[in-house]
Amino acid sequence: QQQVKQSPQSLIVQKGGISIINCAYENTAFDYFPWYQQFPGKGPALLIAIRPDVSEKKEGRFTISFNKSAKQFSLHIMDSQPGDSATYFCAASMNYGGSQGNLIFGKGTKLSVKP
Amino acid sequence: DADVTQTPRNRITKTGKRIMLECSQTKGHDRMYWYRQDPGLGLRLIYYSFDVKDINKGEISDGYSVSRQAQAKFSLSLESAIPNQTALYFCATSDFSRGRTGELFFGEGSRLTVL
Repeated sequence: QQQVKQSPQSLIVQKGGISIINCAYENTAFDYFPWYQQFPGKGPALLIAIRPDVSEKKEGRFTISFNKSAKQFSLHIMDSQPGDSATYFCAASMNYGGSQGNLIFGKGTKLSVKP
Repeated sequence: DADVTQTPRNRITKTGKRIMLECSQTKGHDRMYWYRQDPGLGLRLIYYSFDVKDINKGEISDGYSVSRQAQAKFSLSLESAIPNQTALYFCATSDFSRGRTGELFFGEGSRLTVL
């Protein structure tokens, strides 16, 4: 069974702190690792993504760290703000086969940033 | 107007009733998906369609059926709804026809309650 395991399930961080969400995968054929952000009442939206040829990708306050040997990747939110309060999903996909491009999602992390 | 539109946004129905959730998109994408979201379980793939003539089962297709009426329209049916199908349902699209990354674009969801 292809799986992406995400932790923690919920996270409370003070404003200005660092939020860290972790994901681990099993299938070494995965070659695309996005993070999606979902606000209440909305559909998820792509936040940031990485491919395994790099170990880190940064976009503003959001960074993905990728460890290919450990089969793990994580999302770091620097200087967390109350507006970052949302549910975050990691995901993975492979670029071949009958399910080419289909994303396998983690179970999500509900982040609350306290003022 | 939203690029991916789901109707209805909310629906309450009774056990045994037939329900159809509809999705239309104006993005011109070739791929369309139906996901189910349950608290603590993340996003699980029900069905996906790579084009009008290509429909595939996802992780949790039992009890559901789909129809791809046109490139822009993808509907999900519950032939005989049961209470454990109470969930938030999302339609999503992606563009793989031109070698894109497969980013998913989600609708705003359809909340279904089966009594």
